[in-house]
Amino acid sequence: SYVLTQPPSVSVAPGQTARITCGEDNIGSKSVHWYQQKPGQAPVLLLYDDSDRPSGIPERFSGSNSGNTATLTITRVAVGDEADYYCQVWDTSNDHPCVFGGGTKLTVL
Amino acid sequence: QVQLQESGPGLVKPSQTLSLTCTVSGGSINSDSYYWSWIRQTAGKGLEWIGRIYFSGSINYNPSLESRVTISQDTSKNRFSLKLRSLTAADTAVYYCARALAGSYGYYAFDIWGQGTMVTVSS
Repeated sequence: SYVLTQPPSVSVAPGQTARITCGEDNIGSKSVHWYQQKPGQAPVLLLYDDSDRPSGIPERFSGSNSGNTATLTITRVAVGDEADYYCQVWDTSNDHPCVFGGGTKLTVL
Repeated sequence: QVQLQESGPGLVKPSQTLSLTCTVSGGSINSDSYYWSWIRQTAGKGLEWIGRIYFSGSINYNPSLESRVTISQDTSKNRFSLKLRSLTAADTAVYYCARALAGSYGYYAFDIWGQGTMVTVSS
């Protein structure tokens, strides 16, 4: 099935900045949503429309999207940010309109 | 606040049909602001969208599963359901129901998820 390209893992020290990418041809023309999933829990919407935060999501989480890559940026990373992160798009021009990334495991060293 | 809760069997035999229900509380599924969706998660394939239903009855399915899936809704009971036929071990997964935004902002972002229910396909 069709999957957006994410790095399997990203590691960062506490207090540093983590960047997680999501790749697809011309993804910059689409709205990308990001989710955080902690072990044993359902995913939580982190960002929608590339960079908008739902109520309750800290400003440390931000996003950008241009060209072939969307990026989730987490500043001042904390141990509690250790989780899996997924990107997702809805694209009716695709045979598979709702597509997720393969997920990125963020490890806080 | 709106909550979603999946219910159904945890173990199903190969070739049989899986039936899951998602009960919505704190809000109505009879709303033009949301789509009601099913998503599953396997260890090997990550998150996979199964399909969605709109209050009008409009339904869309993942083309990879379309031949085996039926999604329906019961607005009188404020719930929607999933049927997946001809099960194999590859259908073993955590199944989530989720609400997706239908407006101009955050279109089809899943803003509320159920807790998920583990379904194992095994004889």
